[in-house]
Amino acid sequence: EAGVAQSPRYKIIEKRQSVAFWCNPISGHATLYWYQQILGQGPKLLIQFQNNGVVDDSQLPKDRFSAERLKGVDSTLKIQPAKLEDSAVYLCASSPGRQDQETQYFGPGTRLLVL
Amino acid sequence: GQNIDQPTEMTATEGAIVQINCTYQTSGFNGLFWYQQHAGEAPTFLSYNVLDGLEEKGRFSSFLSRSKGYSYLLLKELQMKDSASYLCAVRDGNYQLIWGAGTKLIIKP
Repeated sequence: EAGVAQSPRYKIIEKRQSVAFWCNPISGHATLYWYQQILGQGPKLLIQFQNNGVVDDSQLPKDRFSAERLKGVDSTLKIQPAKLEDSAVYLCASSPGRQDQETQYFGPGTRLLVL
Repeated sequence: GQNIDQPTEMTATEGAIVQINCTYQTSGFNGLFWYQQHAGEAPTFLSYNVLDGLEEKGRFSSFLSRSKGYSYLLLKELQMKDSASYLCAVRDGNYQLIWGAGTKLIIKP
């Protein structure tokens, strides 16, 4: 079974530029998560999708971050414009979507450096 | 507010046993997860506890006491490859996952 795929793996941009990350979850997983992880901290949930609907985006900085999962499969997270404090690893995770099977499986992450 | 507490860093010796503690205060409880995260890599699932008691899986065991809001991860026969961060995460009453900051475990020969 293929795991969660993410691209790119690394990205370096200058502040005020835009960037987009892509995630393809495990096949059949209904729930998709985007996390931001700053070095030395635990993951911080940015947004959670159930199929193509948003379940939780309470911690998403909506003035600059956006995400979509139009067909309920893969997803894109965008930052526009980027700030220095956005430098972090952006993790995508997926889970089957049933409350009794909510182990999350993570992709390799995208390491973003904003200069 | 909701809170997960873990030690920031621990050091142990190869071949020994180490216990990593996690205490939590959440609005409701629907399970506790432990994840392992090697430097520069994504977290990988280790264990899940929803009932009180000990769950054993090879060299790793995880314990839960819901009344005390407490869990620990026990690692036996430590190997150098166990050097990693260990993340405790609790699923609250709304089935949202609350993450701790992680415990960095350093294994010395």
